Amino acid sequence: DSGVTQTPKHLITATGQRVTLRCSPRSGDLSVYWYQQSLDQGLQFLIQYYNGEERAKGNILERFSAQQFPDLHSELNLSSLELGDSALYFCASSVGIENEKLFFGSGTQLSVL
Amino acid sequence: AQKVTQAQTEISVVEKEDVTLDCVYETRDTTYYLFWYKQPPSGELVFLIRRNSFDEQNEISGRYSWNFQKSTSSFNFTITASQVVDSAVYFCALSEAYTGRRALTFGSGTRLQVQP
Repeated sequence: DSGVTQTPKHLITATGQRVTLRCSPRSGDLSVYWYQQSLDQGLQFLIQYYNGEERAKGNILERFSAQQFPDLHSELNLSSLELGDSALYFCASSVGIENEKLFFGSGTQLSVL
Repeated sequence: AQKVTQAQTEISVVEKEDVTLDCVYETRDTTYYLFWYKQPPSGELVFLIRRNSFDEQNEISGRYSWNFQKSTSSFNFTITASQVVDSAVYFCALSEAYTGRRALTFGSGTRLQVQP
């Protein structure tokens, strides 16, 4: 158990809908990262927050947004969902800002029908 | 540009065989970090090792060993006397300290199947 908690584990929704994925980092970790894993794109970095502030942005679509709250949990919001958004979304956390060993949650499997 | 290549898509071995997973990286930074992660069938990514670019010493941890060679931009991973529990997808990853992406860039992964 990595200590990173992601909910829900599975999410099934329809095209055009909006969903929110939630992540609680390990106790003491200030950085939260979001990754998307799909068969065609592999593991893609989406976005990183550190202590409530956006730190780095990767291949995140404009339809997607994230935030980190004062209690350090994070949410990833996906809107206007398309079939191609179906993927496994991972949250990871680390103590510091960069080049850190990441601890991953078990992921949220999103299926867009 | 930052890039990680794992050319082996899938490897199948019989238990107790040794197996090496290849990882080749590209970076313009002189300071960078290399990682290996394991993704078992349960799906969670498990950290195995982090190595910085100034430390070229090979590392051994039980049946696992890593060979870092800056001259060939490779960071290969060897499992000795493989076991069925080693069956997983293994990812190599890179982060750059200065000019590029500090978040991890992952390779496409190598699926290892260890047959009993």
